[in-house]
Amino acid sequence: GESVGLHLPTLSVQEGDNSIINCAYSNSASDYFIWYKQESGKGPQFIIDIRSNMDKRQGQRVTVLLNKTVKHLSLQIAATQPGDSAVYFCAEKNNAGNMLTFGGGTRLMVKP
Amino acid sequence: DAGVIQSPRHEVTEMGQEVTLRCKPISGHNSLFWYRQTMMRGLELLIYFNNNVPIDDSGMPEDRFSAKMPNASFSTLKIQPSEPRDSAVYFCASSFGQGGGYTFGSGTRLTVV
Repeated sequence: GESVGLHLPTLSVQEGDNSIINCAYSNSASDYFIWYKQESGKGPQFIIDIRSNMDKRQGQRVTVLLNKTVKHLSLQIAATQPGDSAVYFCAEKNNAGNMLTFGGGTRLMVKP
Repeated sequence: DAGVIQSPRHEVTEMGQEVTLRCKPISGHNSLFWYRQTMMRGLELLIYFNNNVPIDDSGMPEDRFSAKMPNASFSTLKIQPSEPRDSAVYFCASSFGQGGGYTFGSGTRLTVV
């Protein structure tokens, strides 16, 4: 079946730098996308979402970009901090149902 | 609201034993999801309830797994008999309607020896 995938399993950045985490999706019917952050020993935590009628959405220090032409999603974290170290998952949903499909995850490591 | 509450946080059991995982969704949420997370397979959806009714259980691995939602505030995932390959972190999540994302619990780490 169709699935959501990630380009990089591990990303290491210097504290204070910007981070970019990428995600490719294959279901063209997907119309809602979410980024989750999962810290060690915890459940995934909602970070930011975007609907398919938008190509950019900003939150506090985070920005999600959606390119429907190439089915690509990215999460940008500005001024990365040690507390941003976690595994980040993208997830997609289509309007035919209520189920989220998760990608494999990218581990972000922030070096002090 | 205390969020999605799962119990126990950790469970160690012997192969062949019955295991019951519990979940209390956020009050007012009408959808509940059980996920399993492993290093090899990532986050896998096991079963999904809407208004206490199972909608999709195609992710349930086999007949050893069963899930119930007797009311809007409680759900269980049961494994009987358990096997070592069932070792994983099991997450429960809930949501309201179909327009948004899920809120996850802290998970139950299951180890079957």
